[in-house]
Amino acid sequence: KAGVTQTPRYLIKTRGQQVTLSCSPISGHRSVSWYQQTPGQGLQFLFEYFSETQRNKGNFPGRFSGRQFSNSRSEMNVSTLELGDSALYLCASSLLAGSYEQYFGPGTRLTVT
Amino acid sequence: DQQVKQNSPSLSVQEGRISILNCDYTNSMFDYFLWYKKYPAEGPTFLISISSIKDKNEDGRFTVFLNKSAKHLSLHIVPSQPGDSAVYFCAAMRMDSSYKLIFGSGTRLLVRP
Repeated sequence: KAGVTQTPRYLIKTRGQQVTLSCSPISGHRSVSWYQQTPGQGLQFLFEYFSETQRNKGNFPGRFSGRQFSNSRSEMNVSTLELGDSALYLCASSLLAGSYEQYFGPGTRLTVT
Repeated sequence: DQQVKQNSPSLSVQEGRISILNCDYTNSMFDYFLWYKKYPAEGPTFLISISSIKDKNEDGRFTVFLNKSAKHLSLHIVPSQPGDSAVYFCAAMRMDSSYKLIFGSGTRLLVRP
């Protein structure tokens, strides 16, 4: 069974631009969560989607948004990029919403210059 | 507000010895605690979990201990192997409407041959 895939793996953007990251969960998994990892901060929860509905949201500004499609694939969008948005963005999938056993993708490394 | 803390950013142990990674938390309402392992350029991998009603869970070389009165958990790896060298994240979760994984900042373990 294929794992969680994220595209692109690396991205360089300029301040003020917007970016869209994509995540394909493990086949059969219906829940997708997004995390931001920065040095010294660990992984910070962004949001979780289940059956195309946002179930939970972390403490991030409205510039961070996401959506989930009917095939469970998810996208995350960041508008008006700031230098502080440079991070590794990780997507995790699980069979059901609220599952503690999540399977992570390799992440998208976003650099904002 | 760091609800889950890993106060040791790094740990170095000799191969064959015990590795002990520590984690403290502040929210007594957490239902599950988990450990994830992360290699460079890969997403975190679920390692082991423990329910808040237990005080110990063992899986092969990995044992997690939970001390609820001290709001402390630890991961013991015995014996440590060079392949265990990675960043270990402690995480906690509540199984209610606010379900989301809250991660610590990670501890980098180096197992010396």
